[in-house]
Amino acid sequence: DTGVSQDPRHKITKRGQNVTFRCDPISEHNRLYWYRQTLGQGPEFLTYFQNEAQLEKSRLLSDRFSAERPKGSFSTLEIQRTEQGDSAMYLCASSRSGTGIYGYTFGSGTRLTVV
Amino acid sequence: ELKVEQNPLFLSMQEGKNYTIYCNYSTTSDRLYWYRQDPGKSLESLFVLLSNGAVKQEGRLMASLDTKARLSTLHITAAVHDLSATYFCAAENSGGSNYKLTFGKGTLLTVNP
Repeated sequence: DTGVSQDPRHKITKRGQNVTFRCDPISEHNRLYWYRQTLGQGPEFLTYFQNEAQLEKSRLLSDRFSAERPKGSFSTLEIQRTEQGDSAMYLCASSRSGTGIYGYTFGSGTRLTVV
Repeated sequence: ELKVEQNPLFLSMQEGKNYTIYCNYSTTSDRLYWYRQDPGKSLESLFVLLSNGAVKQEGRLMASLDTKARLSTLHITAAVHDLSATYFCAAENSGGSNYKLTFGKGTLLTVNP
């Protein structure tokens, strides 16, 4: 297993366009998270899935954002009608539930630039 | 709402010196994490601290946790240039069945020769 994979690594889009990012978690991890990180800031929580169920969404996740995790495997994050303020690094992380010292593994991120 | 504060936000050190980064969190947290991030890269896990008094060490870095004071520290011993990076602490909030991390703003560490 090579860790958490994100695609694409970089995306430049024009304002108003829609974009979709993909995250493939570590196969045995049932929890999947999306975070957003802007320059000079720590990552901010966007949303969280346990298996295929989306259990929590941050108020940062406006109605232009939607995330899915069909069949509890990979996840997609779509941003509709992108705005310049959406420019950020979008990080995906996965973890496993249960007792024990299970950390969060982060992917390399997708850097979005809206021009 | 869980809030995490780190200080300092910027730290410039000379090689060979020692320093400590502080991380305060506002409410009870299950676990405390430390991550390293190099420019343009993702987050690399350094430590997971589970209980009061926990201390973990890896090379020149040592992390500790005081749950009563809601404080974690990351101590750097005899800094070397390779430690230059941004360091984040993150507290885990397990409200009900939902788990997530709340991050501090990060400490940008620069180690000068």
